[in-house]
Amino acid sequence: AQRVTQPEKLLSVFKGAPVELKCNYSYSGSPELFWYVQYSRQRLQLLLRHISRESIKGFTADLNKGETSFHLKKPFAQEEDSAMYYCALQNPGSARQLTFGSGTQLTVLP
Amino acid sequence: DADVTQTPRNRITKTGKRIMLECSQTKGHDRMYWYRQDPGLGLRLIYYSFDVKDINKGEISDGYSVSRQAQAKFSLSLESAIPNQTALYFCATSDLQTSGSNEQFFGPGTRLTVL
Repeated sequence: AQRVTQPEKLLSVFKGAPVELKCNYSYSGSPELFWYVQYSRQRLQLLLRHISRESIKGFTADLNKGETSFHLKKPFAQEEDSAMYYCALQNPGSARQLTFGSGTQLTVLP
Repeated sequence: DADVTQTPRNRITKTGKRIMLECSQTKGHDRMYWYRQDPGLGLRLIYYSFDVKDINKGEISDGYSVSRQAQAKFSLSLESAIPNQTALYFCATSDLQTSGSNEQFFGPGTRLTVL
């Protein structure tokens, strides 16, 4: 069965410091992975997906199949990055539903 | 995103009561989902629906039922609520045909407390 692990429930960094939110997955095939974000008093929304190889709000995430990881990184954290971040793995079968990790609450301190 | 709405936003009920949570969307998406969110557990899928005639169980469907009354409406029912169903419930939609890799769009959530 597929599984997504986010080992850090809470993560605090200072403004301007680099930040890395860890995500590991277990899946035997070729995964499709996503990062979703929930800012305070806002809805959960897609941040980025690995197939797009995009950088959103300065965040990037690289799929490492050898380490089965999809860590989210940003070189210089901003206070507005404070939010709950969820890593998600898409079931590649016909159902295509998402399996979410338990989430990491990021706090960027001034 | 006001395109996905949930009612009620908050509900307190007693053990044994029947509860219905409703979700409506104006995005024209064919797929709809119900999740529950518990602290430390993230989001877990309860049920999902590909269209009006296609309902599927998710990871934690026991104690829940759903109804897809129309493409735009997907309701979640707790036939006899119990305290461990206290959680934040999210509805989501997606449209695989246009979004490709199943980006999901979430409602604001319903906070349910079962006493």
